[in-house]
Amino acid sequence: DAGVIQSPRHEVTEMGQEVTLRCKPISGHDYLFWYRQTMMRGLELLIYFNNNVPIDDSGMPEDRFSAKMPNASFSTLKIQPSEPRDSAVYFCASSGATAYEQYFGPGTRLTVT
Amino acid sequence: AQSVTQLDSQVPVFEEAPVELRCNYSSSVSVYLFWYVQYPNQGLQLLLKYLSGSTLVKGINGFEAEFNKSQTSFHLRKPSVHISDTAEYFCAVSESGSEKLVFGKGTKLTVNP
Repeated sequence: DAGVIQSPRHEVTEMGQEVTLRCKPISGHDYLFWYRQTMMRGLELLIYFNNNVPIDDSGMPEDRFSAKMPNASFSTLKIQPSEPRDSAVYFCASSGATAYEQYFGPGTRLTVT
Repeated sequence: AQSVTQLDSQVPVFEEAPVELRCNYSSSVSVYLFWYVQYPNQGLQLLLKYLSGSTLVKGINGFEAEFNKSQTSFHLRKPSVHISDTAEYFCAVSESGSEKLVFGKGTKLTVNP
């Protein structure tokens, strides 16, 4: 199994630009999670899906952030417009029926200048 | 609300020495507990988990952890560390029945020759 795949691995963009992060979960997994990791705040859950349906988006910082899961094998996290404080590593994770055994992707390091 | 405290942000040790990484949690209900490891520039990987049963849990790479309900702790131990154990270690908690993990801030373990 290829594991969770994220793209791009690195993204550098200017403030105000739209950023789209992509994730392909492990085949057969029912849950998909988006996390953000920063030095100051650690690892924060942004949103998670079950069977492609958003279940809890209470961690999404503001309306500039949106996430979609159009099918079982693909999800996106979009930031529009981006700001320097969005700079972080964004992880996608997936899990099967036992949601807490999560498998993480390698992350996308986002830098907003 | 549940929370996780990792008491040490950095732990330096010499190769072949024992190590203990401390984790305390707070929750008003029963919990599941986890340790994840993050190697440089990689995603998190599950080391071990406690769901129920024996309070001593063995994981990968020779690590083990002990659940202590009265002290609300879940400390991670290894009797003899290797250079390759250098990584950041995250303790996480999930309230039983919840699909969400709450992570601690992490402990950076550095194993020196």
